[in-house]
Amino acid sequence: QVQLQESGPGLVKPSQTLSLTCTVSGDSVSSGGYYWNWIRQPAGKGLEWIGRLYASENGNYIPNYNPALKSRVTISRDRSNNQFSLHLSSVTATDTAVYYCARGGQFGEWTRYDFWGPGLLVTISS
Amino acid sequence: QSVLTQPPSTSGAPGQRVTVSCSGSSSNIGSNSVNWYQHLPGTAPKLLIYINDQRPSGVPDRFSGAKSGTSASLAISGLQSEDEADYYCATWDDSLNGAVFGGGTKLTVL
Repeated sequence: QVQLQESGPGLVKPSQTLSLTCTVSGDSVSSGGYYWNWIRQPAGKGLEWIGRLYASENGNYIPNYNPALKSRVTISRDRSNNQFSLHLSSVTATDTAVYYCARGGQFGEWTRYDFWGPGLLVTISS
Repeated sequence: QSVLTQPPSTSGAPGQRVTVSCSGSSSNIGSNSVNWYQHLPGTAPKLLIYINDQRPSGVPDRFSGAKSGTSASLAISGLQSEDEADYYCATWDDSLNGAVFGGGTKLTVL
C-alpha cells in the first residue's frame, strides 16, 4: 500500500520560505512510474495545484509548476530518503493553507491522484 | 476564479439522485480526461471517478461520471447521509501546462 506523509513547520513568517517534505512508502519517487504532486487548500477555498515532479532512475527529472506560483516554487527530490520537497519563497498570508502531497498518474491520467498524504496546515504569520 | 466552473452547492434528500456539473474549455476538459474527488473536512481528498467515468475499486456504483465536449458531470444516486461532502473535478490544461480544479461543490443531504 502506498502511503504519503507531509512534514514541516506549521508556522512560517511572512517573506520567508515555506519548506515541506513528503515521505513516500510503498513506491519510489525515482522509479519513473508516477508524478509526485503538491496541492493546497486555503481555508474556505478550493483545491489548488502547486506543482509536480517526475523523476526516473535514468536521470530524467521534470518539474512542472502552476504558472501563478512558478516564480516562487521549487519542487525537488531526495532519492536516498524517498522523499520530495516543496519550497515556496516570499510567502504571505494568502499562502496559509492545508498542504497535501499526492501521487499522480502518467500521460492521460495526470490528474488522477490516487494516494494522498493526510495534509499539513501551514499558517503564515509573524 | 477557477478555470473549471462548478456550482457552489447542491442538495438532495436521502435516496434521491443529484448531479454536479463541471464546465471547462477546449484546452482542458475538451482535450483531457476528467477526474472527480470527494473531500470530507479534516481528511485528504478521495479519488471518486477517473478517466471521465471509471470507478476505483471500493467506490460504490452509486457514483458515476460522464464527459461531453467541454463539460463533465458527476452523478450520485441513492443519496446517503455519508455522501455529504465537497466534490471537485480536475483535469489538465494544455494552455496552462498544469492541473486545474473546479471550485468545488458542497453537497448537503437534507
